[in-house]
Amino acid sequence: DAGVTQSPTHLIKTRGQQVTLRCSPKSGHDTVSWYQQALGQGPQFIFQYYEEEERQRGNFPDRFSGHQFPNYSSELNVNALLLGDSALYLCASSLERTGANYGYTFGSGTRLTVV
Amino acid sequence: RKEVEQDPGPFNVPEGATVAFNCTYSNSASQSFFWYRQDCRKEPKLLMSVYSSGNEDGRFTAQLNRASQYISLLIRDSKLSDSATYLCVVNMDDYKLSFGAGTTVTVRA
Repeated sequence: DAGVTQSPTHLIKTRGQQVTLRCSPKSGHDTVSWYQQALGQGPQFIFQYYEEEERQRGNFPDRFSGHQFPNYSSELNVNALLLGDSALYLCASSLERTGANYGYTFGSGTRLTVV
Repeated sequence: RKEVEQDPGPFNVPEGATVAFNCTYSNSASQSFFWYRQDCRKEPKLLMSVYSSGNEDGRFTAQLNRASQYISLLIRDSKLSDSATYLCVVNMDDYKLSFGAGTTVTVRA
């Protein structure tokens, strides 16, 4: 049973470019959350998707957008990349009915470097 | 004020020692609490949930004090493999987890 899978594992982009990161949730899960972890910091909540809609959003600008597909997989898009967007981007999946009450299982992340 | 605050450490301890550290959280309505472990450049992994009555999982003991809004983790008989960053995590609503910045523990031989 595959866990949460993310692609790509590493990515290097130039300032001003756009990037798309992908996440496949654990089998049976219907909710996907995205987190950004800068070096030396804890993960910060970006947003959560359920039923193909953004359900809640953290303190991130509109340059960060996402999508959830009918098969529950998800994409995170970041436009107009800044150097400060360099981070580990983590995806977590869960069941809507349990919410965050049992914690989340994370994918291994995408390490984005903006130069 | 940050939602979750932790002592960053590092805590450098010899093998076999006991190490303990805390975190505090700001939202008294928080619903559930966790400790995650994160190895260098890897994803966070759930170490244990934290229950109101306190709970143990092998050498790890977690405590929750709702009145003072702090959570603790104690590691007994430390192993080299316990070297990691420990993230204090709080569920403040149904959807998102709020993470502390982590406490670094290094166990030396």
